[in-house]
Amino acid sequence: KAGVTQTPRYLIKTRGQQVTLSCSPISGHRSVSWYQQTPGQGLQFLFEYFSETQRNKGNFPGRFSGRQFSNSRSEMNVSTLELGDSALYLCASSLAASGRTDEQFFGPGTRLTVL
Amino acid sequence: GENVEQHPSTLSVQEGDSAVIKCTYSDSASNYFPWYKQELGKGPQLIIDIRSNVGEKKDQRIAVTLNKTAKHFSLHITETQPEDSAVYFCAATRTRSGGGADGLTFGKGTHLIIQP
Repeated sequence: KAGVTQTPRYLIKTRGQQVTLSCSPISGHRSVSWYQQTPGQGLQFLFEYFSETQRNKGNFPGRFSGRQFSNSRSEMNVSTLELGDSALYLCASSLAASGRTDEQFFGPGTRLTVL
Repeated sequence: GENVEQHPSTLSVQEGDSAVIKCTYSDSASNYFPWYKQELGKGPQLIIDIRSNVGEKKDQRIAVTLNKTAKHFSLHITETQPEDSAVYFCAATRTRSGGGADGLTFGKGTHLIIQP
């Protein structure tokens, strides 16, 4: 099976702009989670989508949003970019079988640089 | 919310020796504990996980132990090889009553260096 794919792999934006990142989960996986990785804060949970609905959310401002499509692909959007948004954005997919916590498999990430 | 502490931040061992990385968690409701390996320029790779109904799990050279009473879990790598050099992250989460689980809470990572 193909792994989790993320596009684009690298992005450079300027402050105030907005950005959209894309994630395609492993075939058959129904849940997609997004994480932000920075040297200072480490890996932090942004949100999780399941069946096109946000099921869970971390402690990030409303500038960070996402959505999931009927084929389980997901996008996340960051509006009004700030310098501190520079990070590696990681997508993880899981099977989302009911009644248990499933393994999460990560993609390679999108490296976002805000100038 | 959950808080995960990971030690040490850097670990250097001779090739062939064992390496141990330790994590503690704060939320007694956490019931799933994965370990990830991240190489430069790549996303985290799941290497082993353990659930709260199990005390130990082994997969070839890698093992994980869980002490629920003390709220800590450890990764053990035996017969280390150069390709084991990477950053290792522990994480914790709990199953939600409405389905799924909380997002993973990660430790800060351990940079494992295998000296030839």
